[in-house]
Amino acid sequence: NAGVTQTPKFQVLKTGQSMTLQCAQDMNHNSMYWYRQDPGMGLRLIYYSASEGTTDKGEVPNGYNVSRLNKREFSLRLESAAPSQTSVYFCASSEFGRSWGNQPQHFGDGTRLSIL
Amino acid sequence: TQLLEQSPQFLSIQEGENLTVYCNSSSVFSSLQWYRQEPGEGPVLLVTVVTGGEVKKLKRLTFQFGDARKDSSLHITAAQPGDTGLYLCAGLNTGFQKLVFGTGTRLLVSP
Repeated sequence: NAGVTQTPKFQVLKTGQSMTLQCAQDMNHNSMYWYRQDPGMGLRLIYYSASEGTTDKGEVPNGYNVSRLNKREFSLRLESAAPSQTSVYFCASSEFGRSWGNQPQHFGDGTRLSIL
Repeated sequence: TQLLEQSPQFLSIQEGENLTVYCNSSSVFSSLQWYRQEPGEGPVLLVTVVTGGEVKKLKRLTFQFGDARKDSSLHITAAQPGDTGLYLCAGLNTGFQKLVFGTGTRLLVSP
């Protein structure tokens, strides 16, 4: 019962480097999300994908790009990392439908990213 | 931008005490969820409240959705060390079909 799997778990980058955070879910969910979590700020939505083939900006999309590779996988890319992007990144998935609002979001265990 | 403010930010109590966490907004939400997050893990859903005035109980945890659907509270009776964690409220804005997360309340329950 894997649920939502994120890789890597930890990463240290230098300013200006690029990297892709990977996320995969095995629950056949339509919707997937990328959040960042910073102290005292809860979770902020970076990008989301309501269904395969669609992506939309969230609250803090600047400096990030995403790809919904297929129904299972949703990746987050930092093209030129900046120290302000040091954070813990969470991927989540949920069912999409008439009762969408009552469906839980299932989260991975996060990627801890430090940018020097 | 919709905001959900949680209070208090931090709470350190002794085992057996009662506590209440508040989640407030100036915006109306169609539903509200509460999550708990433990160190090194992602948040896990505790409950969803949908109707204004709704009260749900989960063992020693009582959740209430405000009548106007702008606020919510979480009350824990006789807290235990296993209740330690970060509690997050999250409101659903139907128009944007996204969750807006609160700022979080970090709870520490000491034996």
